[in-house]
Amino acid sequence: AQSVTQLGSHVSVSEGALVLLRCNYSSSVPPYLFWYVQYPNQGLQLLLKYTSAATLVKGINGFEAEFKKSETSFHLTKPSAHMRDAAEYFCAVRGGGSYIPTFGRGTSLIVHP
Amino acid sequence: DGGITQSPKYLFRKEGQNVTLSCEQNLNHDAMYWYRQDPGQGLRLIYYSQIVNDFQKGDIAEGYSVSREKKESFPLTVTSAQKNPTAFYLCASTAGTAKSGNTIYFGEGSWLTVV
Repeated sequence: AQSVTQLGSHVSVSEGALVLLRCNYSSSVPPYLFWYVQYPNQGLQLLLKYTSAATLVKGINGFEAEFKKSETSFHLTKPSAHMRDAAEYFCAVRGGGSYIPTFGRGTSLIVHP
Repeated sequence: DGGITQSPKYLFRKEGQNVTLSCEQNLNHDAMYWYRQDPGQGLRLIYYSQIVNDFQKGDIAEGYSVSREKKESFPLTVTSAQKNPTAFYLCASTAGTAKSGNTIYFGEGSWLTVV
């Protein structure tokens, strides 16, 4: 079985501040982990993914995430928020023999000027 | 360019009416998925298909039906049995086997509203 928990349905930061979006997963086997971004009225776009290579994964738009097996976490960070980062962010897991990716409930990132 | 095309972008359904959402991909992907998105509830799986002529129910399949007659096409029908169909619907696809970390690609989504 696999599951994903995103802590915080909304995260609010000031422009230029650190962004931290939290994701914890549960998987019976080493997982594949993904972060997606969704802008209003659009589909999901891949930010980055972990596939058992480097534990620190760099993605698009300056985002990165670190896989921590001991903490079963895959938190998304960005050193300096920009107004254009305001969107919904989804963490997803796809593990073992499951064809089905499981998504978290999403975290809405709000960026204040 | 390769990708997933969903149509229509906006659709209105009258009470008691069946409607079909189209999903076409030219990525040569084997697996395709339909998700429903409601505010605050994330993505919920409706149906998925791993191969042509085969599909399985997801977590919220009641009131929906699908077909997979061609590799590139996975239409979703919202039947009159679905009592609360107003939502944003997302189609997705991925290549490879269940053990691969291949990216899951999404279409731009379709809005369905009951009038």
